[in-house]
Amino acid sequence: EGQLVQSGGGLVQSGGSLRLSCAASGFSVTNNYMTWIRQTPEKGLEWVSLLDSGGSAYYADSVTGRFTISRDNSKNTVFLHMDSLRADDTAVYFCAREHNSAAFDYWGQGTLVTVSS
Amino acid sequence: DIQMTQSPSTLSASVGDRITITCRASQSIGSRLAWFQQKPGKAPKVMIYKTSYLESGVPSRFSGSGSGTEFTLTISSLQPDDFASYYCQQYNSYPRTFGQGTMVEIK
Repeated sequence: EGQLVQSGGGLVQSGGSLRLSCAASGFSVTNNYMTWIRQTPEKGLEWVSLLDSGGSAYYADSVTGRFTISRDNSKNTVFLHMDSLRADDTAVYFCAREHNSAAFDYWGQGTLVTVSS
Repeated sequence: DIQMTQSPSTLSASVGDRITITCRASQSIGSRLAWFQQKPGKAPKVMIYKTSYLESGVPSRFSGSGSGTEFTLTISSLQPDDFASYYCQQYNSYPRTFGQGTMVEIK
């Protein structure tokens, strides 16, 4: 049974940076597609970024150039480094595993990121 | 991007009712659709994948159908634990996109 445990997040000023972590157990992040998804009441669930098993990274247009997804294989952890944060980045951020290019089967517990202007 | 449109946004129902939620994709996604249940303060939980396949542990009162651009989630006999929000999501192409959600509330 897989599990994802998130850390990081919090309150940051507009223009600032933050790093989110997502530690996996029960499976290897290296061999899986790992994703970040965020949620707000206004926009609902929004796909943010993907790191595939080959190490290629993909981003939503809204975060391209500002967010970076990466992983530490030795820690079995995926990260989302967020720069130049804006008020509209305020959301609950979830990490999730996309299993076999299909549904998101494992999710982290979510972490709130608040960007103050 | 593929737009996913759910209806209704809110559904009021009673325990024992049969309910159906509809999800429409802006272009064909084959059968590459999942349904999630979410309760307040929790992460979404996958209920159905590939349009009609139940995730392990999901009660058989849940079912999914459809193909192409039109999909439905049906709960045959609503139980107290089923009052929650439901989201559809396509995984035919990137970026993955979600419907705006349907809140199932107690009538």
